[in-house]
Amino acid sequence: AQRVTQPEKLLSVFKGAPVELKCNYSYSGSPELFWYVQYSRQRLQLLLRHISRESIKGFTADLNKGETSFHLKKPFAQEEDSAMYYCALSGRDDYKLSFGAGTTVTVRA
Amino acid sequence: DTGVSQDPRHKITKRGQNVTFRCDPISEHNRLYWYRQTLGQGPEFLTYFQNEAQLEKSRLLSDRFSAERPKGSFSTLEIQRTEQGDSAMYLCASSLGTGTGVSPLHFGNGTRLTVT
Repeated sequence: AQRVTQPEKLLSVFKGAPVELKCNYSYSGSPELFWYVQYSRQRLQLLLRHISRESIKGFTADLNKGETSFHLKKPFAQEEDSAMYYCALSGRDDYKLSFGAGTTVTVRA
Repeated sequence: DTGVSQDPRHKITKRGQNVTFRCDPISEHNRLYWYRQTLGQGPEFLTYFQNEAQLEKSRLLSDRFSAERPKGSFSTLEIQRTEQGDSAMYLCASSLGTGTGVSPLHFGNGTRLTVT
């Protein structure tokens, strides 16, 4: 069985401060991990995936297989980063995503 | 907007009635997914199509739920004899998949169902 845990429901940070969203997963095989984001009044969209190893909008995420984690980080949060963030997991040979419960991020001026 | 389109945006129905939702994926996408999302939770997988074939259906899905994707284009999700517990946001997503593994999903705006 696969499971994604996002321990923080709400996260509030000041503009310019670092932000880290935690994601832990449980999966017996080789996982693929993703972060999806939903801005206010917009649809859910892909932010980044671990195999791309890229930084999107200043966000990065590193897959740590030892700790089974895929935390999302940004060194300097901006007000436009306020959104709902979902961590998601898929198996290498699977076709569907399993999502965590999400973390609501509020960046205050 | 050439993204994934869902209709209707909102549906209010009485318990026991049947409802049908429609999803139009991005035209070249061969994979189509239905997810359900309730308040405070992430999207929960319901079913998956590759072209017109329904390849996977969640074991949590009641027999009252059925989905189709005729001709591998648009898809419909029908809920028969609705119950109050069916109230949720129903999300459709599509992707262009080649080989194994999941490709980035493109989501629609969802259909919000309220069962009274």
